[in-house]
Amino acid sequence: SQQGEEDPQALSIQEGENATMNCSYKTSINNLQWYRQNSGRGLVHLILIRSNEREKHSGRLRVTLDTSKKSSSLLITASRAADTASYFCATDGSSNTGKLIFGQGTTLQVKP
Amino acid sequence: EAGVAQSPRYKIIEKRQSVAFWCNPISGHATLYWYQQILGQGPKLLIQFQNNGVVDDSQLPKDRFSAERLKGVDSTLKIQPAKLEDSAVYLCASSLSARRAFFGQGTRLTVV
Repeated sequence: SQQGEEDPQALSIQEGENATMNCSYKTSINNLQWYRQNSGRGLVHLILIRSNEREKHSGRLRVTLDTSKKSSSLLITASRAADTASYFCATDGSSNTGKLIFGQGTTLQVKP
Repeated sequence: EAGVAQSPRYKIIEKRQSVAFWCNPISGHATLYWYQQILGQGPKLLIQFQNNGVVDDSQLPKDRFSAERLKGVDSTLKIQPAKLEDSAVYLCASSLSARRAFFGQGTRLTVV
């Protein structure tokens, strides 16, 4: 079964606005990752946050992790039309094999 | 650096037919994954190889799905016989470490 649940399922914003997506998971983890998927394409790794980290930044991306609540959020600041895609969180389910357990994803539409 | 290569990109078959997908991982990546992504859902791991050995195939429907990774490089995933519910995108990914995975473009399978 899927590990994560993402919220919202769909998000539509104007260019320049910030977009926030949330992810909840069920089991303990070593790390949590966020991936982007453009329509009809493969997934692209965005950022990884370890279980002992609370916040991480990469360019316009900010990820937070609250292991006590088993939740994470992805913030995209100053969004662009090119950010239009589906975003997935993925956890390793505390395994060290690299196996990823994905959430259902959030579909983001950024209107120019 | 060349990415993960998959073929074919699209395949349409009738139910009960067989189909095979091919994946060439990034050179030097010991770990290879096959994921199934049903429309509107996140990817689900089918099988994971470490070199040419299987690490995890717990969610592979073994009565109809098979996969192999000869010589620890390329991999093929086969479905025989296909069912309507097998319609999905089949994603291959590879990784050097048990952290970041690199995904191919996927094969979109439609079973009619």
